[in-house]
Parts: sequence; C-alpha cells; structure tokens
Amino acid sequence: GAVVSQHPSRVICKSGTSVKIECRSLDFQATTMFWYRQFPKQSLMLMATSNEGSKATYEQGVEKDKFLINHASLTLSTLTVTSAHPEDSSFYICSARDPAGGPIGELFFGEGSRLTVL
Amino acid sequence: QKEVEQNSGPLSVPEGAIASLNCTYSDRVSQSFFWYRQYSGKSPELIMSIYSNGDKEDGRFTAQLNKASQYVSLLIRDSQPSDSATYLCAVNGGVSWGKLQFGAGTQVVVTP
Repeated sequence: GAVVSQHPSRVICKSGTSVKIECRSLDFQATTMFWYRQFPKQSLMLMATSNEGSKATYEQGVEKDKFLINHASLTLSTLTVTSAHPEDSSFYICSARDPAGGPIGELFFGEGSRLTVL
Repeated sequence: QKEVEQNSGPLSVPEGAIASLNCTYSDRVSQSFFWYRQYSGKSPELIMSIYSNGDKEDGRFTAQLNKASQYVSLLIRDSQPSDSATYLCAVNGGVSWGKLQFGAGTQVVVTP
C-alpha cells in the first residue's frame, strides 16, 4: 500500500506555544490529505481535509485559526496547533488516499503524532 | 444515530477460534467499506477493503458486505494473540463523499 510518513511521533510543549506536525506521502502524490484527532479510548475524529494549493476544509466545531493547515506541495501537508493548551493533548494522525483507488478508495495513515501540552 | 456503529467490546476470543466483528452504517448510498486494525498507541492499519456485496477473503480475514441490510462484518480465523487490537470499521461514499466515517471500534482480546 501507499506510504504516509508523519513527524514528529511525539512532542511535548508548554501551554501557549505552537507545534507543527508534518505529513508526507512518500511514494505517491496526494492532492488531498486528511487530519484526524483521537482521544484515549475514542475513535478517530476528522478535523479537516487538506487540499493542495487551496484552503483546508474544516469539520464543524474545529477552529481553523487554532489548527492551521498548509498543503504547499503534492507530498506535504502540515498541521500547526497554535497557542496550545492542555486540552489539545491528543493523538493526531494524518492520512492520504492512493490516487489509484479514486475518491472512494482506502486511506493510508501516517504513524501519528502524540502531543502533550503541559 | 451514529453513522457507523460497532460493539465496543471487549470481545474475548480463545486462541485458534474465530473472532466475529460486526458493523452497521446509516448512509444507504455508501460505496466502500474498510476494516482497520489499531494497536494501542499506534495509528490504524488497513487490513481489508470491500466494495461489493458478498464475501472477500484475504488470508485469515474475511470481510462480508450486505448493502441491503447496511451491514459489514469481519471474521478472523485461527485467532492469534497478535490479533489483539481494536478493529475500526470505516465507510466511504454517500453523503460524506471522499471522507471516511469511522465506527468507535471493537476491542478484541485473544487469550492463549
């Protein structure tokens, strides 16, 4: 399957600082990437759809000014958590779809980034 | 009503037995269906995809889809301790075109 890489895998930051998470598609070009958040013992919650060359589409209830998404190239999307607070501590996972599968094909996930805000 | 529903478990299965996981979805026009396995602290890993009614087998895994009943299931034969994980059902297409809707997951525990 397609390979998606995410970095960093773990990050600890102080409250009020910003944290950037990178998501790369390694062996294919991804015009669309998806960012999920997962709290302990809960399922994945879609935060936003990242579109190469245009603005991200955010799900209802997700603050676009707090979770900045940049999809500057066909292989890289970044999520920046701005002015992080302890309640932002979570597991953030990016994903992308292999273009060969079309718009209803499977998603491949990055390794995830565990954010802890002190 | 949640869009994708799964029993949360845990589902306890003796080693070597068959684990049966169920998933129902609400969007009748959904077109693709996936099972992901997620180990604790890790990201989901795709194990099966199914697009048409019937069964699809891949090794010890069999996915079953019944669109009329809006039901998709996963069977794990000869369960191994390494199969202990949370299994997420995901549905694509329909109203949420292009986005995957995930169930809450079923925790499977395979006991030696």
